[in-house]
Amino acid sequence: QKEVEQDPGPLSVPEGAIVSLNCTYSNSAFQYFMWYRQYSRKGPELLMYTYSSGNKEDGRFTAQVDKSSKYISLFIRDSQPSDSATYLCAMKLSGGYQKVTFGIGTKLQVIP
Amino acid sequence: DADVTQTPRNRITKTGKRIMLECSQTKGHDRMYWYRQDPGLGLRLIYYSFDVKDINKGEISDGYSVSRQAQAKFSLSLESAIPNQTALYFCATSAGTDIEPQHFGDGTRLSIL
Repeated sequence: QKEVEQDPGPLSVPEGAIVSLNCTYSNSAFQYFMWYRQYSRKGPELLMYTYSSGNKEDGRFTAQVDKSSKYISLFIRDSQPSDSATYLCAMKLSGGYQKVTFGIGTKLQVIP
Repeated sequence: DADVTQTPRNRITKTGKRIMLECSQTKGHDRMYWYRQDPGLGLRLIYYSFDVKDINKGEISDGYSVSRQAQAKFSLSLESAIPNQTALYFCATSAGTDIEPQHFGDGTRLSIL
């Protein structure tokens, strides 16, 4: 079993839809949670970074962490064609240097 | 200009050749990383460095070596390239605390024939 599970998609939605992207994980000790956006032929770009449980909002993006269920989500409101990309979840332990564990990414396509 | 620059962006080479991928950064970060990305496997850590004299193996270091020439430069070498090293390679940097997130370059697409 992988430490981080993420549906690779592709996920196609119409412009303006609310998008929900999700990851589940097996290690309950993960404390830091990240979402990266990766456009084709580009490197991952950090979108959201949260510590422990709760929600974090930044413009049209909301990151949600549910540690009791070992489940994290990224919501995109009013999705735009420019949101079409692959979204990677990532997480790591706390306490000294810890490697980041990445999901395989979900490919999102927003149809105009 | 990009904060994390990788060269070359694309490379096609033959089995057995020695390859060097280079990374330079202007972010002033102490920590640098090399990852490879494969479909269905995600990003996997090859090597990481906290400063010029501190280099560590990641989860898939076999067949690779690195050199940290300066705070801003970190190179990855494939000593004798083999076809299953065909992948996207990314360099990343982070500031010098354990909680800081990593920032990535735009990658090198490497094909080994």
